[in-house]
Amino acid sequence: DGGITQSPKYLFRKEGQNVTLSCEQNLNHDAMYWYRQDPGQGLRLIYYSQIVNDFQKGDIAEGYSVSREKKESFPLTVTSAQKNPTAFYLCASKVPGANVLTFGAGSRLTVL
Amino acid sequence: QKEVEQNSGPLSVPEGAIASLNCTYSDRGSQSFFWYRQYSGKSPELIMFIYSNGDKEDGRFTAQLNKASQYVSLLIRDSQPSDSATYLCAVNKNTGNQFYFGTGTSLTVIP
Repeated sequence: DGGITQSPKYLFRKEGQNVTLSCEQNLNHDAMYWYRQDPGQGLRLIYYSQIVNDFQKGDIAEGYSVSREKKESFPLTVTSAQKNPTAFYLCASKVPGANVLTFGAGSRLTVL
Repeated sequence: QKEVEQNSGPLSVPEGAIASLNCTYSDRGSQSFFWYRQYSGKSPELIMFIYSNGDKEDGRFTAQLNKASQYVSLLIRDSQPSDSATYLCAVNKNTGNQFYFGTGTSLTVIP
């Protein structure tokens, strides 16, 4: 089945540690996105990438980094510079032509 | 000013009633409008999208767009307990391929 796979589903991290969230899609979509969701704040854009080897910062990119070496993969690294990383992280890709986002199941990060 | 604004609710309706969810957006250049449903602990799933002024119907759901008033709404007819979720409004401005989301409206359908 085609879709977006995010892993891990749950992740616990100690303060000061970097952590990488995986996002893989087999939909052959060009554009991919990372959003963060906190209670009561909706989805906020961290980074997005329209093509391989290119990505742009969203509204809350500080403390995060991404790479786009392959069309299928768009991993997100939450660095120790991110002051409040506990959140639900959502990866999405854009359906070509339809201009619609489809989401992965999400990764919930908790900093202990 | 936020790109997309929604009333956070909670909104409660009895089973079988019509639920009305509303959303306003700030940028008149917005081109595409979306409603997503999100169950607790899950990721958003697309319910409806609308690009042109007027109504668009899909089963029990109707999306309404008024670009002059910068207003998007979602009507859910014959509401069911399974419709209980948070509904997210989103807009796309085409420029930069960015999508902006509201904070969501929590809907509870009471059996």
